[in-house]
Amino acid sequence: QKEVEQNSGPLSVPEGAIASLNCTYSDRVSQSFFWYRQYSGKSPELIMSIYSNGDKEDGRFTAQLNKASQYVSLLIRDSQPSDSATYLCAVNGGYSSASKIIFGSGTRLSIRP
Amino acid sequence: KAGVTQTPRYLIKTRGQQVTLSCSPISGHRSVSWYQQTPGQGLQFLFEYFSETQRNKGNFPGRFSGRQFSNSRSEMNVSTLELGDSALYLCASSTGSNYGYTFGSGTRLTVV
Repeated sequence: QKEVEQNSGPLSVPEGAIASLNCTYSDRVSQSFFWYRQYSGKSPELIMSIYSNGDKEDGRFTAQLNKASQYVSLLIRDSQPSDSATYLCAVNGGYSSASKIIFGSGTRLSIRP
Repeated sequence: KAGVTQTPRYLIKTRGQQVTLSCSPISGHRSVSWYQQTPGQGLQFLFEYFSETQRNKGNFPGRFSGRQFSNSRSEMNVSTLELGDSALYLCASSTGSNYGYTFGSGTRLTVV
């Protein structure tokens, strides 16, 4: 079983709609959760971090965490063509800041005009 | 504030050769992690250095090694290159993995 799982997509969403990206993780002790955006040919860029159950909002982005279900999601409201990218879910694989971060394989998102 | 700097950006090497990649982290960041990214495997963790010590290691063969210097700069070495080592190698720095990583632009290695 992969440690961090994402649907590879592509996920196609019309401009202006809500894009919903999902991720599950296997290690129950994980404490820190991240979403990265990676444009084609570029390196990953951190867009959201979340540490406790519930929702965290930052502009058009909302991260949701459910530790009991080992589930993390990212919602993008009012999707724009510039949101077209691969979104990587990442999980701190342990209790402490000394643990490595494990990445999912990413979901490719395409926003159609 | 300068970001994470990786050099070189591109490399072409022949099978059997060795290669050294360099990474300068954000000032003040003592943790440097290395990842290999390929289309089929995604981001695979290689190793992490903190204060000149390897703190975590991924499941890569011993041909992959690294080190960190007292100024936190890190190097990664791959010996006896194989065609399958062709990938984007990404370096990331942080103050601790609880806060996420900042990635460099990567080194694109092609083995022919």
